[in-house]
Amino acid sequence: SQQGEEDPQALSIQEGENATMNCSYKTSINNLQWYRQNSGRGLVHLILIRSNEREKHSGRLRVTLDTSKKSSSLLITASRAADTASYFCAMAAAGNKLTFGGGTRVLVKP
Amino acid sequence: KAGVTQTPRYLIKTRGQQVTLSCSPISGHRSVSWYQQTPGQGLQFLFEYFSETQRNKGNFPGRFSGRQFSNSRSEMNVSTLELGDSALYLCASSLAAVSGANVLTFGAGSRLTVL
Repeated sequence: SQQGEEDPQALSIQEGENATMNCSYKTSINNLQWYRQNSGRGLVHLILIRSNEREKHSGRLRVTLDTSKKSSSLLITASRAADTASYFCAMAAAGNKLTFGGGTRVLVKP
Repeated sequence: KAGVTQTPRYLIKTRGQQVTLSCSPISGHRSVSWYQQTPGQGLQFLFEYFSETQRNKGNFPGRFSGRQFSNSRSEMNVSTLELGDSALYLCASSLAAVSGANVLTFGAGSRLTVL
């Protein structure tokens, strides 16, 4: 199984601060993705990073991937109350199913 | 264009009953994946279909089954419901043949409560 582990499980920050969460996985992957989920609703895709990439940006989001350490991180800069959500990493080997980590619950306090 | 549509959104069943959940993917998407989300187990992969063929299957008992129709719509069925089947069931669609190859677009989920 490709299931990942995320750290921390929960994070509480003030609006305007940065939030960083980490994801570790066990075996080689083809790509790693990050998703956001608001309060028990469907997941929304944030970023996909392929195994030959080291860093990707999307707006206030920055994702890094270190395949030698089998880890990835998601940084949210200048957080807003609307960023309050659970964030999940997901990974897949080539041609395989996408499996998810346990998630990080982020609370951004106004 | 319309997103992924899951029906019903909420349902309550009793132990021993069966349930069928439906998922309509984004137009043009031929791949549908199903996930079960619970507080204790997180997001668990159930199965995925592409062009009416099951491509991958998760580690769930045979009470959980699915299928995909020629119009790419998918259904999943859970028979002989147990209390532990209470969960949010999420469906996602993709252009790729398997869920790991590309971005997934999720529906809002079907929340099943088993009493």
